[in-house]
Amino acid sequence: NAGVTQTPKFRILKIGQSMTLQCTQDMNHNYMYWYRQDPGMGLKLIYYSVGAGITDKGEVPNGYNVSRSTTEDFPLRLELAAPSQTSVYFCASSRNVGGGLGNEQYFGPGTRLTVT
Amino acid sequence: QKEVEQNSGPLSVPEGAIASLNCTYSDRGSQSFFWYRQYSGKSPELIMFIYSNGDKEDGRFTAQLNKASQYVSLLIRDSQPSDSATYLCAVNEGRNQFYFGTGTSLTVIP
Repeated sequence: NAGVTQTPKFRILKIGQSMTLQCTQDMNHNYMYWYRQDPGMGLKLIYYSVGAGITDKGEVPNGYNVSRSTTEDFPLRLELAAPSQTSVYFCASSRNVGGGLGNEQYFGPGTRLTVT
Repeated sequence: QKEVEQNSGPLSVPEGAIASLNCTYSDRGSQSFFWYRQYSGKSPELIMFIYSNGDKEDGRFTAQLNKASQYVSLLIRDSQPSDSATYLCAVNEGRNQFYFGTGTSLTVIP
Protein backbone atom coordinates (compact mmCIF):
# COMPACT_ATOMS: atom_id res chain seq x y z
CA ASN A 1 0.00 0.00 0.00
CA ALA A 2 1.25 3.46 -0.89
CA GLY A 3 -0.99 4.98 1.81
CA VAL A 4 -1.76 8.65 1.20
CA THR A 5 0.03 10.32 -1.70
CA GLN A 6 0.10 14.00 -2.60
CA THR A 7 1.29 15.93 -5.63
CA PRO A 8 3.08 18.20 -6.18
CA LYS A 9 5.66 18.28 -3.38
CA PHE A 10 6.51 21.93 -3.96
CA ARG A 11 4.90 24.74 -5.90
CA ILE A 12 5.38 28.46 -6.31
CA LEU A 13 2.36 30.45 -7.45
CA LYS A 14 1.96 34.05 -8.38
CA ILE A 15 -0.80 36.08 -6.76
CA GLY A 16 -4.08 35.47 -8.55
CA GLN A 17 -3.10 32.15 -10.10
CA SER A 18 -5.06 28.95 -9.43
CA MET A 19 -3.98 25.38 -8.88
CA THR A 20 -5.16 21.98 -7.70
CA LEU A 21 -3.41 19.95 -5.04
CA GLN A 22 -3.91 16.25 -5.61
CA CYS A 23 -4.49 13.65 -2.88
CA THR A 24 -5.03 9.92 -3.32
CA GLN A 25 -5.36 7.12 -0.77
CA ASP A 26 -5.37 3.39 -1.45
CA MET A 27 -6.62 2.20 1.95
CA ASN A 28 -10.34 2.38 1.04
CA HIS A 29 -10.86 4.96 3.80
CA ASN A 30 -14.19 6.74 3.96
CA TYR A 31 -12.92 9.93 5.56
CA MET A 32 -10.48 12.34 3.97
CA TYR A 33 -9.19 15.70 5.19
CA TRP A 34 -7.21 18.69 4.05
CA TYR A 35 -5.12 20.63 6.57
CA ARG A 36 -2.78 23.54 6.35
CA GLN A 37 0.13 24.02 8.71
CA ASP A 38 1.78 27.40 9.13
CA PRO A 39 5.25 27.67 10.71
CA GLY A 40 5.20 26.86 14.43
CA MET A 41 1.48 26.21 14.35
CA GLY A 42 -0.75 23.21 14.61
CA LEU A 43 -2.87 21.79 11.83
CA LYS A 44 -5.93 23.73 10.73
CA LEU A 45 -8.72 21.85 8.96
CA ILE A 46 -9.70 23.30 5.59
CA TYR A 47 -12.25 20.80 4.27
CA TYR A 48 -13.18 17.22 4.93
CA SER A 49 -15.19 14.48 3.26
CA VAL A 50 -17.10 11.58 4.79
CA GLY A 51 -17.44 9.70 1.53
CA ALA A 52 -17.69 10.09 -2.22
CA GLY A 53 -19.92 13.04 -3.09
CA ILE A 54 -20.02 14.45 0.45
CA THR A 55 -17.80 17.31 1.59
CA ASP A 56 -17.98 19.93 4.31
CA LYS A 57 -16.10 22.98 5.51
CA GLY A 58 -13.58 22.90 8.29
CA GLU A 59 -12.11 25.73 10.31
CA VAL A 60 -10.43 27.72 7.48
CA PRO A 61 -12.24 27.05 4.15
CA ASN A 62 -12.11 30.52 2.58
CA GLY A 63 -10.21 30.61 -0.70
CA TYR A 64 -10.42 26.84 -1.23
CA ASN A 65 -12.73 24.33 -2.84
CA VAL A 66 -12.87 20.55 -2.85
CA SER A 67 -14.63 17.70 -4.58
CA ARG A 68 -14.82 13.97 -3.90
CA SER A 69 -15.97 12.01 -6.91
CA THR A 70 -14.31 8.74 -5.85
CA THR A 71 -13.34 7.10 -2.57
CA GLU A 72 -9.67 7.37 -3.46
CA ASP A 73 -9.28 10.99 -4.57
CA PHE A 74 -9.81 14.27 -2.75
CA PRO A 75 -8.35 17.24 -4.67
CA LEU A 76 -8.06 20.72 -3.14
CA ARG A 77 -8.53 23.69 -5.45
CA LEU A 78 -7.02 27.11 -4.76
CA GLU A 79 -8.67 29.92 -6.67
CA LEU A 80 -7.02 33.34 -6.94
CA ALA A 81 -4.01 32.50 -4.80
CA ALA A 82 -3.05 35.02 -2.11
CA PRO A 83 0.15 35.34 -0.02
CA SER A 84 -1.89 34.28 3.05
CA GLN A 85 -2.21 30.84 1.44
CA THR A 86 1.52 30.26 1.67
CA SER A 87 1.68 27.16 3.84
CA VAL A 88 2.29 23.44 3.94
CA TYR A 89 -0.78 21.44 2.98
CA PHE A 90 -1.40 17.96 4.28
CA CYS A 91 -4.01 15.49 3.14
CA ALA A 92 -5.10 12.76 5.58
CA SER A 93 -7.51 9.86 5.66
CA SER A 94 -9.17 7.64 8.24
CA ARG A 95 -11.48 4.63 8.04
CA ASN A 96 -13.91 5.88 10.68
CA VAL A 97 -14.43 8.55 13.30
CA GLY A 98 -15.52 8.10 16.89
CA GLY A 99 -14.19 6.18 19.81
CA GLY A 100 -13.14 2.93 18.25
CA LEU A 101 -10.30 1.38 16.36
CA GLY A 102 -9.93 2.64 12.84
CA ASN A 103 -10.39 6.35 13.33
CA GLU A 104 -6.71 7.18 13.45
CA GLN A 105 -5.62 9.49 10.65
CA TYR A 106 -2.82 8.81 8.21
CA PHE A 107 -1.10 11.71 6.53
CA GLY A 108 0.38 12.26 3.11
CA PRO A 109 3.87 13.76 2.68
CA GLY A 110 2.57 17.31 2.19
CA THR A 111 2.73 20.03 -0.44
CA ARG A 112 4.81 23.11 0.31
CA LEU A 113 3.15 26.08 -1.42
CA THR A 114 4.54 29.58 -1.74
CA VAL A 115 2.45 32.43 -3.16
CA THR A 116 4.42 35.50 -4.22
CA GLN B 1 -14.33 26.66 19.73
CA LYS B 2 -12.87 23.34 20.71
CA GLU B 3 -9.36 23.71 22.05
CA VAL B 4 -6.42 21.41 22.43
CA GLU B 5 -3.52 22.91 24.32
CA GLN B 6 0.08 21.82 24.60
CA ASN B 7 3.15 23.42 26.11
CA SER B 8 5.13 24.52 23.07
CA GLY B 9 8.45 23.85 24.78
CA PRO B 10 11.13 23.40 23.83
CA LEU B 11 11.50 20.45 26.16
CA SER B 12 15.04 19.16 26.55
CA VAL B 13 15.91 15.85 28.18
CA PRO B 14 19.19 13.91 28.34
CA GLU B 15 19.53 10.68 26.43
CA GLY B 16 18.10 7.75 28.42
CA ALA B 17 15.75 9.93 30.49
CA ILE B 18 11.95 9.93 30.46
CA ALA B 19 10.29 12.66 28.41
CA SER B 20 6.82 13.70 29.54
CA LEU B 21 4.51 15.53 27.16
CA ASN B 22 1.13 16.89 28.21
CA CYS B 23 -2.05 17.91 26.44
CA THR B 24 -5.35 19.30 27.72
CA TYR B 25 -8.61 19.53 25.78
CA SER B 26 -11.79 21.54 26.24
CA ASP B 27 -14.55 19.23 24.92
CA ARG B 28 -15.74 16.80 27.60
CA GLY B 29 -17.40 14.72 24.90
CA SER B 30 -14.08 13.87 23.25
CA GLN B 31 -13.79 10.19 22.54
CA SER B 32 -10.42 9.42 21.03
CA PHE B 33 -6.97 10.84 21.50
CA PHE B 34 -3.85 10.66 19.40
CA TRP B 35 -0.17 11.45 19.58
CA TYR B 36 1.71 12.23 16.38
CA ARG B 37 5.42 12.77 15.90
CA GLN B 38 6.52 15.29 13.28
CA TYR B 39 10.11 15.68 12.20
CA SER B 40 11.07 19.01 10.70
CA GLY B 41 9.85 19.27 7.12
CA LYS B 42 7.96 15.97 7.31
CA SER B 43 4.34 14.93 7.76
CA PRO B 44 2.82 13.87 11.10
CA GLU B 45 3.34 10.21 11.93
CA LEU B 46 0.96 8.39 14.28
CA ILE B 47 2.64 7.10 17.44
CA MET B 48 -0.17 6.23 19.82
CA PHE B 49 -3.92 6.38 20.17
CA ILE B 50 -6.02 5.87 23.28
CA TYR B 51 -9.75 5.72 23.90
CA SER B 52 -10.17 4.60 27.51
CA ASN B 53 -9.07 6.07 30.81
CA GLY B 54 -5.77 4.77 32.06
CA ASP B 55 -2.48 3.84 30.48
CA LYS B 56 -1.64 2.30 27.14
CA GLU B 57 1.89 1.11 26.49
CA ASP B 58 3.60 0.45 23.18
CA GLY B 59 7.32 -0.19 23.40
CA ARG B 60 9.03 2.88 24.88
CA PHE B 61 5.85 4.94 24.59
CA THR B 62 3.03 5.18 27.14
CA ALA B 63 -0.12 7.23 26.61
CA GLN B 64 -2.10 8.21 29.68
CA LEU B 65 -5.70 9.44 29.55
CA ASN B 66 -7.71 11.08 32.32
CA LYS B 67 -11.12 12.11 30.99
CA ALA B 68 -12.28 13.58 34.30
CA SER B 69 -9.37 16.03 34.25
CA GLN B 70 -9.43 16.35 30.46
CA TYR B 71 -5.81 15.64 29.84
CA VAL B 72 -3.78 13.15 27.93
CA SER B 73 -0.05 12.65 28.22
CA LEU B 74 2.73 10.83 26.42
CA LEU B 75 5.72 9.36 28.21
CA ILE B 76 8.80 8.38 26.25
CA ARG B 77 11.11 6.11 28.20
CA ASP B 78 14.83 5.72 27.46
CA SER B 79 14.71 8.79 25.23
CA GLN B 80 16.95 8.68 22.16
CA PRO B 81 18.29 11.51 19.99
CA SER B 82 16.08 10.13 17.21
CA ASP B 83 13.06 11.05 19.35
CA SER B 84 13.88 14.74 18.84
CA ALA B 85 10.84 16.08 17.00
CA THR B 86 7.61 17.99 17.52
CA TYR B 87 4.84 15.98 19.15
CA LEU B 88 1.27 16.83 18.21
CA CYS B 89 -1.74 15.95 20.33
CA ALA B 90 -5.04 15.41 18.48
CA VAL B 91 -8.57 14.86 19.74
CA ASN B 92 -11.74 13.56 18.08
CA GLU B 93 -15.10 14.16 19.71
CA GLY B 94 -16.82 11.41 17.81
CA ARG B 95 -17.89 13.44 14.86
CA ASN B 96 -16.05 14.27 11.69
CA GLN B 97 -13.35 16.65 12.84
CA PHE B 98 -10.06 16.20 14.60
CA TYR B 99 -8.56 19.03 16.62
CA PHE B 100 -4.82 19.45 16.93
CA GLY B 101 -2.64 21.20 19.44
CA THR B 102 0.23 23.38 18.27
CA GLY B 103 2.77 20.77 19.31
CA THR B 104 5.61 20.39 21.81
CA SER B 105 9.17 20.50 20.54
CA LEU B 106 11.34 17.81 22.15
CA THR B 107 15.12 17.73 22.03
CA VAL B 108 17.00 14.71 23.38
CA ILE B 109 20.56 15.65 24.25
CA PRO B 110 23.21 12.93 23.65
